[in-house]
Amino acid sequence: AQKVTQAQTEISVVEKEDVTLDCVYETRDTTYYLFWYKQPPSGELVFLIRRNSFDEQNEISGRYSWNFQKSTSSFNFTITASQVVDSAVYFCALSEAGIWETSYDKVIFGPGTSLSVIP
Amino acid sequence: DTGVSQDPRHKITKRGQNVTFRCDPISEHNRLYWYRQTLGQGPEFLTYFQNEAQLEKSRLLSDRFSAERPKGSFSTLEIQRTEQGDSAMYLCASSQGLAGAFEQYFGPGTRLTVT
Repeated sequence: AQKVTQAQTEISVVEKEDVTLDCVYETRDTTYYLFWYKQPPSGELVFLIRRNSFDEQNEISGRYSWNFQKSTSSFNFTITASQVVDSAVYFCALSEAGIWETSYDKVIFGPGTSLSVIP
Repeated sequence: DTGVSQDPRHKITKRGQNVTFRCDPISEHNRLYWYRQTLGQGPEFLTYFQNEAQLEKSRLLSDRFSAERPKGSFSTLEIQRTEQGDSAMYLCASSQGLAGAFEQYFGPGTRLTVT
């Protein structure tokens, strides 16, 4: 069965510190997708990244970077030089995707990590 | 603005009443999803449409819940005989793609309070 664990419920950092948000997932499929979403205080979920199970390359986008390790079933997210605007709840998510046009792609979200960046 | 829109944004109802929420996805998106989110939790999948076809329905969805997407455009989620446990944020999302998992674009949600 699909499961996403985010062990860190809340994290507080001082502005400009680096912070890593952990995500561990469980799946029996060999083909799957992993996501990170951000939910700021305004409430609307914002897509950050999608990674498929065959691409283990780490990715960097500005101050954000993601470390995908299939061996440990982890997809961790690091924010470098954090800013107050990074304060939000961050969700890791997993989807076991089919290959046919009518396949569904139910996404299972983790419980989220609430990040507070203190000025 | 061409994002996902939801209406209403807030709904307060008395236990036992029926409520209906509407979601308008991004116009070219063929997939539409409904989620429920309670305080301190991640969104929980409720149901999913590809065009007008409802392809999956979560076991979380009791018989009191029904969703439609006529003509493959907007969608409605109806809750009959509401209960206090139905109080939550109801999120709609849409995506575009033939297969596989694509990023979903979320609306602002409808917050339901059942008194």
